[in-house]
Amino acid sequence: EVQLVESGGGLVQPGSSLKVSCVASGFTFSSYVMHWFRQAPENGIEWLAYINTDSSSTHYAETVKGRFTISRDNAKNTVDMQLSSLRSEDTAMYFCAREGNYGSWGYFDYWGQGVMVTVSS
Amino acid sequence: DIVLTQSPALAVSLGQRATISCRASQSVSTSSYNLMHWYQQKPGQQPKLLIYDASNLASSIPARFSGSGSGTDFTLTINPVQADDIATYYCQQSRELPLTFGSGTKLEIK
Repeated sequence: EVQLVESGGGLVQPGSSLKVSCVASGFTFSSYVMHWFRQAPENGIEWLAYINTDSSSTHYAETVKGRFTISRDNAKNTVDMQLSSLRSEDTAMYFCAREGNYGSWGYFDYWGQGVMVTVSS
Repeated sequence: DIVLTQSPALAVSLGQRATISCRASQSVSTSSYNLMHWYQQKPGQQPKLLIYDASNLASSIPARFSGSGSGTDFTLTINPVQADDIATYYCQQSRELPLTFGSGTKLEIK
């Protein structure tokens, strides 16, 4: 069974840093592109970043470029997102997701349950 | 960025057809693929893939869900609607980065 489980959320102060992690199981992790998304309370879904299978390529949304860093460890089946210079508007549920690899590209067939990050003083 | 526009809410009677639309600010189709995908999200849960490439049913999704469209106009149809379908439905494009989502259509029972 495919599973994605996020961890590392919490309450942090503005300007601080936090790392959210996602551990994968039930599939060959190293064969899949992975992404991070977020969803602010009562809001829509925002794509944040992706990392390809061997970490040679990453892309970020403009809203987080330079502040967030995605990385993966294929030996540990994990994909992380380092969040820095956090602002109140970064308060959201953060999800990792697996990109599907049948048909085209850029859709997500499995998502984690999410981890909440709250930025507040 | 490609903007995806969805109606905020739709009210449908149980057993009837629900048609949820999504319009893109520019074409999301290539010569090979219609790069529009649909997700269902219930409160407190993660999104769930329903349809990929505009019309392909994702694994384990019941056949009463279907998708259609190309270019800039896409539709998700649920027929017949069941009580378990009460959720918010999002379209998402992968024609170009940044990947973007519609603002969601909340399906309600009439």
